[in-house]
Amino acid sequence: GAVVSQHPSRVICKSGTSVKIECRSLDFQATTMFWYRQFPKQSLMLMATSNEGSKATYEQGVEKDKFLINHASLTLSTLTVTSAHPEDSSFYICSVGRGGETQYFGPGTRLLVL
Amino acid sequence: GDSVTQMEGPVTLSEEAFLTINCTYTATGYPSLFWYVQYPGEGLQLLLKATKADDKGSNKGFEATYRKETTSFHLEKGSVQVSDSAVYFCALSDSAGTASKLTFGTGTRLQVTL
Repeated sequence: GAVVSQHPSRVICKSGTSVKIECRSLDFQATTMFWYRQFPKQSLMLMATSNEGSKATYEQGVEKDKFLINHASLTLSTLTVTSAHPEDSSFYICSVGRGGETQYFGPGTRLLVL
Repeated sequence: GDSVTQMEGPVTLSEEAFLTINCTYTATGYPSLFWYVQYPGEGLQLLLKATKADDKGSNKGFEATYRKETTSFHLEKGSVQVSDSAVYFCALSDSAGTASKLTFGTGTRLQVTL
């Protein structure tokens, strides 16, 4: 299966700053990438779906101006949390897919906003 | 909307014990059902799946049967090993392929001891 990496694995930032998280598909051309967030002891919640070269589709309740997603190529997607606040502290996970095939997940990025 | 409910953990078993992790779902239509596993420090990996009623998914000694009448997809293994210690997620999709929106349960942590 595909190998998916995320960088950084964990980040601590001050309230009001922006944080960028990268998701890379190392050996798989991903036409679709997904971003999830997971709160402690809760399930993964889909935030948005992005297809290479087009704008991301956000789930209901997810602010697109706060969580900027750029699917720049078939191997790279970035999630930028703008003006982060403590309530944005969470575990962010990306996954990659290619039309009907299995999704492959990254190891996640833990964000802590102070 | 769609939802997945799975038993809370942690589940602690001795090696070679029988494992059952319960999963029930609510969905419109005929979803596909999945079990994902997350080993420490790694991303989620697809463990098995079933795409229609009465299908049985199996992999690595784990199996689960799609029960439409009870809306369940319980995960079982006859003899667990220490290496099976991980977090297990039940999920559903409205598409047979997993490169579409997944709805996850909260995850069940399994700890297997010698």
